[in-house]
Amino acid sequence: NAGVTQTPKFQVLKTGQSMTLQCAQDMNHNSMYWYRQDPGMGLRLIYYSASEGTTDKGEVPNGYNVSRLNKREFSLRLESAAPSQTSVYFCASTGANVLTFGAGSRLTVL
Amino acid sequence: KQEVTQIPAALSVPEGENLVLNCSFTDSAIYNLQWFRQDPGKGLTSLLLIQSSQREQTSGRLNASLDKSSGRSTLYIAASQPGDSATYLCAATSGTYKYIFGTGTRLKVLA
Repeated sequence: NAGVTQTPKFQVLKTGQSMTLQCAQDMNHNSMYWYRQDPGMGLRLIYYSASEGTTDKGEVPNGYNVSRLNKREFSLRLESAAPSQTSVYFCASTGANVLTFGAGSRLTVL
Repeated sequence: KQEVTQIPAALSVPEGENLVLNCSFTDSAIYNLQWFRQDPGKGLTSLLLIQSSQREQTSGRLNASLDKSSGRSTLYIAASQPGDSATYLCAATSGTYKYIFGTGTRLKVLA
């Protein structure tokens, strides 16, 4: 099984550009999450989707939008990237209360 | 609001030593707590999940305990090996889908 797949793995953007991070899981999980990880800050929840058709804000949602396209896919969009959004982004899903993570997407905003 | 703390931030031990990593949380109305391992530049790998009704969980050389009354969880690693070197994170949820993470303990096991 592939588990949780994120694309792209690396991306460099200029301030003001937009982009979408893609996430897909093949474990038939209902809930999906987007986190960002910054040095010294740990993982912070950006948005989550408890089930298909629902999305909710996490701790740090400003500057981001999400779409739960179907049960498998949950995308994260940066409409106008800022240097403060330079981070490593992780997608995750839960099944039987166990969080399963993707490999991460490293985003740099210049 | 749930807050999760992990102390120390970094730890170095000689190979073969038994060690304990600590995780503290502020909201005792916890639904479950999960321990993860993260290797440099990689994603998080789930190690152990403890439900609120459980006191401990074991997997191989790893044992995790949960004490809701004191707001603490510990991860015990027996007979540590250099391959155990990684960052260990804990995450707690109060059942609202929001898993709150600690900042992790960076472990180095010296050969």
